[in-house]
Amino acid sequence: DAGVTQSPTHLIKTRGQQVTLRCSPKSGHDTVSWYQQALGQGPQFIFQYYEEEERQRGNFPDRFSGHQFPNYSSELNVNALLLGDSALYLCASSRAGTTDTQYFGPGTRLTVL
Amino acid sequence: QQQVKQSPQSLIVQKGGISIINCAYENTAFDYFPWYQQFPGKGPALLIAIRPDVSEKKEGRFTISFNKSAKQFSLHIMDSQPGDSATYFCAASTGNTGKLIFGQGTTLQVKP
Repeated sequence: DAGVTQSPTHLIKTRGQQVTLRCSPKSGHDTVSWYQQALGQGPQFIFQYYEEEERQRGNFPDRFSGHQFPNYSSELNVNALLLGDSALYLCASSRAGTTDTQYFGPGTRLTVL
Repeated sequence: QQQVKQSPQSLIVQKGGISIINCAYENTAFDYFPWYQQFPGKGPALLIAIRPDVSEKKEGRFTISFNKSAKQFSLHIMDSQPGDSATYFCAASTGNTGKLIFGQGTTLQVKP
């Protein structure tokens, strides 16, 4: 039973560029949440997708957007990258009805130069 | 503002000892309190979680103690092992929204 997978593992971009990160949820899960984890900090909630719609959103600017596909996989897009966007981006999956019980992927390490 | 405050920031324990990490929250609407373990270069792994209808939950060497009136909860790791050396995060959420609010983390080192 595959857990949550994310790609790519690492990514280096320059300021102003755009990036797309991908996530496949754990088998049987239909809800995907994205978190940003800065070095030495706890993860911060970005947004959550269920039934291909954004259901919850944290305090992140509109530069952060996402998408969920019919197979429940999801993408996180960040436009106009800033140096401060450098972080580990985590995807977590869960089942509707038990959305709190989230299982995290290994993350994508984004470095913005 | 919804916050979860975690302490201590770092902890050193001898092998076989008890590791205790504490968290305090402000929002009384929180009704789900998980603990996650994270190793360097990995994503957080769910360890154990509790809801406010019980004061304690135990799974193996890991125990959550919950004090609703004090708005505090803690993780106890019994018989700590070097393999437990990791960063631990408490979190909280409301109404099965799935919007987890995390503490700042505690780096645990268990010395052999």
